Amino acid sequence: EDQVTQSPEALRLQEGESSSLNCSYTVSGLRGLFWYRQDPGKGPEFLFTLYSAGEEKEKERLKATLTKKESFLHITAPKPEDSATYLCAVQDGSASKIIFGSGTRLSIRP
Amino acid sequence: GAVVSQHPSWVICKSGTSVKIECRSLDFQATTMFWYRQFPKQSLMLMATSNEGSKATYEQGVEKDKFLINHASLTLSTLTVTSAHPEDSSFYICSATPRGLVDEQYFGPGTRLTVT
Repeated sequence: EDQVTQSPEALRLQEGESSSLNCSYTVSGLRGLFWYRQDPGKGPEFLFTLYSAGEEKEKERLKATLTKKESFLHITAPKPEDSATYLCAVQDGSASKIIFGSGTRLSIRP
Repeated sequence: GAVVSQHPSWVICKSGTSVKIECRSLDFQATTMFWYRQFPKQSLMLMATSNEGSKATYEQGVEKDKFLINHASLTLSTLTVTSAHPEDSSFYICSATPRGLVDEQYFGPGTRLTVT
């Protein structure tokens, strides 16, 4: 059964303190792995799609990487406005649906 | 680009009544739309997938007669919660996949439903 596990559940950092969020997945034939940002009371905001192991994508202070078993979302020198829940999701080879992880709640203290 | 809207953003209704939520893709045609529900501090749970002009595909455990989905056009899908009960109170979010970009989903801002 397809599964997505994110860790840690919550992460509190000081402004400027870099760190990484983890997304481990089990899927039959990965079609794509997605990262989203969700602010409280709002819908998820698309960040990245990764398709194959070794792929990396960057956007401002965020960089997503992918291996055959997991993905990391690296955040460099975060700012308070980066505080949000970060969701990881995978789409299997049949492309029938996307399965979400439970998210990591990131809080950046000024 | 790739903006999805939902209406209403929040709604309060009495138990036993029906509520309709609209999901629109504003600047693109959506071949597929998805409906999710999300409980506090939990992730998104897919309820159903709908393609324009065909019946929605519901996930296991989701009552299709209670959650009616109509994908009337390439820019509009509606979710109707029929005979709502307090346990239906949740955050409902739709997403849409642009035509030709099957690997990308763009989400609406969500609708907060409270059933009293």
